Amino acid sequence: ETGVTQSPTHLIKTRGQQVTLRCSSQSGHNTVSWYQQALGQGPQFIFQYYREEENGRGNFPPRFSGLQFPNYSSELNVNALELDDSALYLCASSLGAGYGSAGELFFGEGSRLTVL
Amino acid sequence: EDQVTQSPEALRLQEGESSSLNCSYTVSGLRGLFWYRQDPGKGPEFLFTLYSAGEEKEKERLKATLTKKESFLHITAPKPEDSATYLCAVRAGNNRKLIWGLGTSLAVNP
Repeated sequence: ETGVTQSPTHLIKTRGQQVTLRCSSQSGHNTVSWYQQALGQGPQFIFQYYREEENGRGNFPPRFSGLQFPNYSSELNVNALELDDSALYLCASSLGAGYGSAGELFFGEGSRLTVL
Repeated sequence: EDQVTQSPEALRLQEGESSSLNCSYTVSGLRGLFWYRQDPGKGPEFLFTLYSAGEEKEKERLKATLTKKESFLHITAPKPEDSATYLCAVRAGNNRKLIWGLGTSLAVNP
């Protein structure tokens, strides 16, 4: 069983640039969610994708966008980077996305983004 | 507003010294409380899901319990490899997102 993999693991950008982070979900999982985790904080929900459609979003501006592909892998795009965007970005996969679905999320190792 | 609070922020134990971590929550319509473990620089690792007051789950030296207002993660005779940050999260109402606490950083000294 293949786990959740994310790339790149580390990257450095400057203010105003754009970044794309990638995630391959665990085998058999059709739902991907993205989280932002600042140092010393709990993860903050960005959005969730189920069968290629966004079906839940947290309090993040529109410059945070995403995609899910037919193989359930996903991308997180952030435009016009700001210093406060520096964080660990976590991708999590799960099976099922309905309100009754379990909260067992399987996380990748994360992508550490530094914005200078 | 839905909220999750974990205490203590940090805990240092000697190997074999049992203790408990607390997760208190104020949410409308709890649909599940989740415990995760996070090692430095890594993603959280799922431990337990609890759905209703009175429910208990166990895994090795860890035992999670749930009441109507809080959850406890009991660690019995911890070992140094149990050192990590333990995160609590809840799902409430019809919201798909998980609401996370800030975590408890546990250090177990040999």
